[in-house]
Amino acid sequence: GGIITQTPKFLIGQEGQKLTLKCQQNFNHDTMYWYRQDSGKGLRLIYYSITENDLQKGDLSEGYDASREKKSSFSLTVTSAQKNEMAVFLCASSIQGRDTQYFGPGTRLLVL
Amino acid sequence: GDSVTQTEGLVTLTEGLPVMLNCTYQSTYSPFLFWYVQHLNEAPKLLLKSFTDNKRPEHQGFHATLHKSSSSFHLQKSSAQLSDSALYYCALSGDTNAYKVIFGKGTHLHVLP
Repeated sequence: GGIITQTPKFLIGQEGQKLTLKCQQNFNHDTMYWYRQDSGKGLRLIYYSITENDLQKGDLSEGYDASREKKSSFSLTVTSAQKNEMAVFLCASSIQGRDTQYFGPGTRLLVL
Repeated sequence: GDSVTQTEGLVTLTEGLPVMLNCTYQSTYSPFLFWYVQHLNEAPKLLLKSFTDNKRPEHQGFHATLHKSSSSFHLQKSSAQLSDSALYYCALSGDTNAYKVIFGKGTHLHVLP
């Protein structure tokens, strides 16, 4: 078994601020994902990384940067937080593209 | 491009009645389909995944059949339980890019006693 850890659990930011979310996995999986979860909009892919040092944009990448520092970690940066923004950011990992994705508990973002 | 459409919003039914959550998809080739379930305050987790050999996946009483003719992968259970109340996502991994998994908007299932 393994686990995905996301930090912080809650993140409160100010408009225009750069905010960084972190994800760690100990499954030894090659592929990692960042999703944004909004009520009524499902899970939307922001960035994914097929292997260490790889970065691929998803459908919602504008306004975000990502970094795959090493195989076990994948960070997401909100480049300029939008006022009144509220969402949950989920990190996931899988062995390969068509395998089960294992999700972390999420980071809840609120921008004042 | 690839897309997934599922029963949107809230589905409410009484315990013991059958469950059917719809999922249809658009994909150029032969995709893999998934159902993920997310209980309140928990992370999403895999419920079912389609097979390549037309077998019907089953888990915790749920099953789904991939029908390529109608591009569907509906989730079914013969008798709902209170513990089935959760958010259900249908997802697709296309042939052109297996890593880019497309999720539907999710269906809330609320089972009443």
